[in-house]
Amino acid sequence: QKEVEQDPGPLSVPEGAIVSLNCTYSNSAFQYFMWYRQYSRKGPELLMYTYSSGNKEDGRFTAQVDKSSKYISLFIRDSQPSDSATYLCAMMDNQGGKLIFGQGTELSVKP
Amino acid sequence: NAGVTQTPKFQVLKTGQSMTLQCAQDMNHNSMYWYRQDPGMGLRLIYYSASEGTTDKGEVPNGYNVSRLNKREFSLRLESAAPSQTSVYFCASSEPGSGNTIYFGEGSWLTVV
Repeated sequence: QKEVEQDPGPLSVPEGAIVSLNCTYSNSAFQYFMWYRQYSRKGPELLMYTYSSGNKEDGRFTAQVDKSSKYISLFIRDSQPSDSATYLCAMMDNQGGKLIFGQGTELSVKP
Repeated sequence: NAGVTQTPKFQVLKTGQSMTLQCAQDMNHNSMYWYRQDPGMGLRLIYYSASEGTTDKGEVPNGYNVSRLNKREFSLRLESAAPSQTSVYFCASSEPGSGNTIYFGEGSWLTVV
């Protein structure tokens, strides 16, 4: 069983929809939670970063961490075609060593 | 500012051949990583180096070796390539404590026939 599980999709939504992306994990030592966005044939780029539990908002993006349930989410409001990409959750423990990724969810936002 | 640079971008190998993927970063980061990405599997850590002179195995180290040549460079070697190593390889670097932000290179597409 992988330490981090993420629904691979693909997920297709109309422009303007609210998108919810989720990951579950099994390692209670994870303290740092990140979301990366990856466009086709490019390297991943950091989108959101959260330490421990709580919410973080950045423009149309909101990241939520529920450590008691070992569950993290990324919400995208007013989704745009330019949001079409693969979204990967990633987690790291306090030792700052390995960053473990989920499988990635492929999102397509249709005009 | 180049960030993380990896070469080559594309490579085709025959089974049993060897090759080295090169990676360099110009951000003075201590930590460097090699990941592979396969459809439906996400990014899987092959090896990482927390600092110059140290390397550690990740999730899928078998069939690979690494060298942290200096603080800037971290190479990945396939000694005897196998078709199962056909993948996209990403090098990355980070500075622990700075939000643990990891910066990725553009990727190397490797096909083993």
